[in-house]
Amino acid sequence: NAGVTQTPKFQVLKTGQSMTLQCAQDMNHEYMSWYRQDPGMGLRLIHYSVGAGITDQGEVPNGYNVSRSTTEDFPLRLLSAAPSQTSVYFCASSYSTGDSSYNSSLHFGNGTRLTVT
Amino acid sequence: ILNVEQSPQSLHVQEGDSTNFTCSFPSSNFYALHWYRWETAKSPEALFVMTLNGDEKKKGRISATLNTKEGYSYLYIKGSQPEDSATYLCACDNYGQNFVFGPGTRLSVLP
Repeated sequence: NAGVTQTPKFQVLKTGQSMTLQCAQDMNHEYMSWYRQDPGMGLRLIHYSVGAGITDQGEVPNGYNVSRSTTEDFPLRLLSAAPSQTSVYFCASSYSTGDSSYNSSLHFGNGTRLTVT
Repeated sequence: ILNVEQSPQSLHVQEGDSTNFTCSFPSSNFYALHWYRWETAKSPEALFVMTLNGDEKKKGRISATLNTKEGYSYLYIKGSQPEDSATYLCACDNYGQNFVFGPGTRLSVLP
């Protein structure tokens, strides 16, 4: 298994540009999520999905869109990049949440370092 | 959105010292509490998943306890080694929907 694969690893955008961060997992995980990591703030949840066709907002969703057309893929779209979106982005997946939480450790991708100038 | 807190923010200990830090979370609608170890330039790695009040988990020199009634978990490291230097994150699932992370405790173990 490849686990969670994120692309690209690095990206530089100009203000106003759009782009998509890709995330794919091959573990048949139901739950997928996007976090951003900023100094002193840990990991903040952007969007998450509990299964194909279902997405929901996290703590900091503004400026980002997601979709979950398949179990495997969960892309994150930046519609019009802003300098405030400069961050390191992590995609993570797990088998489940809720009643099956005992089996719910998050598996993380390697991160995407995004700089918006 | 849940408020998950961790203390202290950072910690410096000498090699061989034992240490512990705290994760606080809302006790209502609790499903699970996770601990992760996050080394610089790497991705977080899971240490423990804890679901039941009174749970105790252990992996080598690292152990954790859980009190869901009062909303806290402790992570203990016995005989700290330089390779234990990392940021330790806790994450809480309170509604069976998603995982909210605390800000982390950054541990530095000095040789």
